[in-house]
Amino acid sequence: DGGITQSPKYLFRKEGQNVTLSCEQNLNHDAMYWYRQDPGQGLRLIYYSQIVNDFQKGDIAEGYSVSREKKESFPLTVTSAQKNPTAFYLCASSMGGMNTEAFFGQGTRLTVV
Amino acid sequence: QQQVKQSPQSLIVQKGGISIINCAYENTAFDYFPWYQQFPGKGPALLIAIRPDVSEKKEGRFTISFNKSAKQFSLHIMDSQPGDSATYFCAAIDNDYKLSFGAGTTVTVRA
Repeated sequence: DGGITQSPKYLFRKEGQNVTLSCEQNLNHDAMYWYRQDPGQGLRLIYYSQIVNDFQKGDIAEGYSVSREKKESFPLTVTSAQKNPTAFYLCASSMGGMNTEAFFGQGTRLTVV
Repeated sequence: QQQVKQSPQSLIVQKGGISIINCAYENTAFDYFPWYQQFPGKGPALLIAIRPDVSEKKEGRFTISFNKSAKQFSLHIMDSQPGDSATYFCAAIDNDYKLSFGAGTTVTVRA
């Protein structure tokens, strides 16, 4: 069953802690993306990766880090430097060319307590 | 600073009516314009997409109109149904595969 899987669905973090969100895809897609969704602000791009071992900052990369060691995996770390981390995080993947559809995971809701 | 400007933020339409959502962009490197539909608690799903060399694309009750010179495009939902109630996002992809989204429009269809 092909798709993109994000885990966990809900995550709670204490202030000052780093936390890593998982994103795995078995679609053999080259490109992967991380977005943050806040009410009224749509989806804002955090990081994206076109190929393994390469990634670029999106519009709101500060306080986040990523790695792309394997084609199927693109984990996102929310560091303690991110001042307002409570949000809904979405991972997506696509074949990577122009004119290709991006498939989204079901999201991870992160709450800082 | 959103690279794709979307309006309105929300709209309410009666069943059978037409919903219209507008988007505008500045970056001429954008070369593909998808629309996504999102239901609460779920990830967005592709609805329909258009290239800038096409002025209109229709799939069922959903139509995209594209005005390349004005750098504007819009989504029309014809014969709106209660099941269309969702948040709709316009998006744009540039030649580095960067996928940017508008702020979203929440559509409510009243029966």
